[in-house]
Order: sequence, then C-alpha cells, then structure tokens
Amino acid sequence: DAGVTQSPTHLIKTRGQQVTLRCSPKSGHDTVSWYQQALGQGPQFIFQYYEEEERQRGNFPDRFSGHQFPNYSSELNVNALLLGDSALYLCASSPGRWGFYGYTFGSGTRLTVV
Amino acid sequence: GNSVTQMEGPVTLSEEAFLTINCTYTATGYPSLFWYVQYPGEGLQLLLKATKADDKGSNKGFEATYRKETTSFHLEKGSVQVSDSAVYFCALSDPQGTGNQFYFGTGTSLTVIP
Repeated sequence: DAGVTQSPTHLIKTRGQQVTLRCSPKSGHDTVSWYQQALGQGPQFIFQYYEEEERQRGNFPDRFSGHQFPNYSSELNVNALLLGDSALYLCASSPGRWGFYGYTFGSGTRLTVV
Repeated sequence: GNSVTQMEGPVTLSEEAFLTINCTYTATGYPSLFWYVQYPGEGLQLLLKATKADDKGSNKGFEATYRKETTSFHLEKGSVQVSDSAVYFCALSDPQGTGNQFYFGTGTSLTVIP
C-alpha cells in the first residue's frame, strides 16, 4: 500500500524563479495539506485542499498557491522564489478534512533557492 | 491561539535509559494531541495520539498521556534503543478552534548511544 508520494525529492532553483511540487495522497485519502519545514524547525501549515478547493490557509503569502485534481493529487506552486523559501516541503493526506486521527506525511521535497 | 512548546534538545541517552520529552500546549478548543517522529532524510511518521483528556496514546514502547489540567502531553519510554535516535515533534489539531491544521513544536532531537 503506497503511502504519500512526493516529487521531486530534491531540487535547486534560482531566486525569482517559479517551482511546482507534486503530491499523490495515500490510497483512500481525499484531503491534502502542505507544510513548510525550515531547517531545525517544526512544520508550518501552508494550506489544505479538499474537494478540489483550498479550504484553509496558514500565514503564507499569495506567492504560495496550490491545486487539487479530481484524483485527489495536489500541486504546490511557489512564485518569485526567495532565499527564505529554502526548506523541506511536506505533503500530508487524510481521509476527510479533520485530523482527529493524524495525517500521513510524505518524505518531502527539499527545495534549495540560490 | 494555538501553540506547542517542546523541551529543548538535543537529548543524548545511553541505550536502555529512560526517556522523557516534555510538551505543553495552548489551544482555543479541545485539541487532539500527537507525537510524530522524523528519521534523518525522511518525512514525519505518526508515533501516537490522544483525542481527549486522560487518554493515553502508546506505540512501540512509547507512551504519552493527555493532561488537560496541566495542558501537557509528555512523551516517555522506559528503555530506549539506538534505533530510537530521531527528531520527535509534539503537535496538536484543534478542529473546534481555527480548524484542522496541525500546530507543531520545534522538535527535540534524540541520540541514543550504545
């Protein structure tokens, strides 16, 4: 049973560029959340997608946007990259919107902005 | 608002020692509480959870009890192994407050030496 799959695993971008990260949720899960984890810190909530709509958003600028597809997979887009966007980006999925029982996390995409 | 405060690390223990990692929280509603573990180069794995006051979560020898009176959810293990070396994150989900996002602590790094 595949868990949460994220791609790519690593990438390097130049300041000002745009990046797209991808996530396939665990089988049976329809809700996808994205988190940013800076080095040495806990994950910070970016946003959550359910039924192809952004349902909740954390304290991140509009440069961060996303999308959810009918098959529940999701993309995270970041425009006008800043050096401070360098982080591990984690995708988490769950069956339904509420995290009572915890989310399943992917291994993340390590983004380095130079 | 919602927040999680974790014991500062890093923590270094000898194999078979007793482990305690302190976690306290602030929440606007009635949160569910979680411990996640992150091994080097990997995403987060759910270790245990508790969804209401006085619940005890347990898994792989780890335990944590949801203490509403002290707003705490301390992680304990009676005898650690080298394979327990990882970063541990305390987290809360507060669906009655701001919704279903997770709030994470900053993480506590544990190293177990033989």
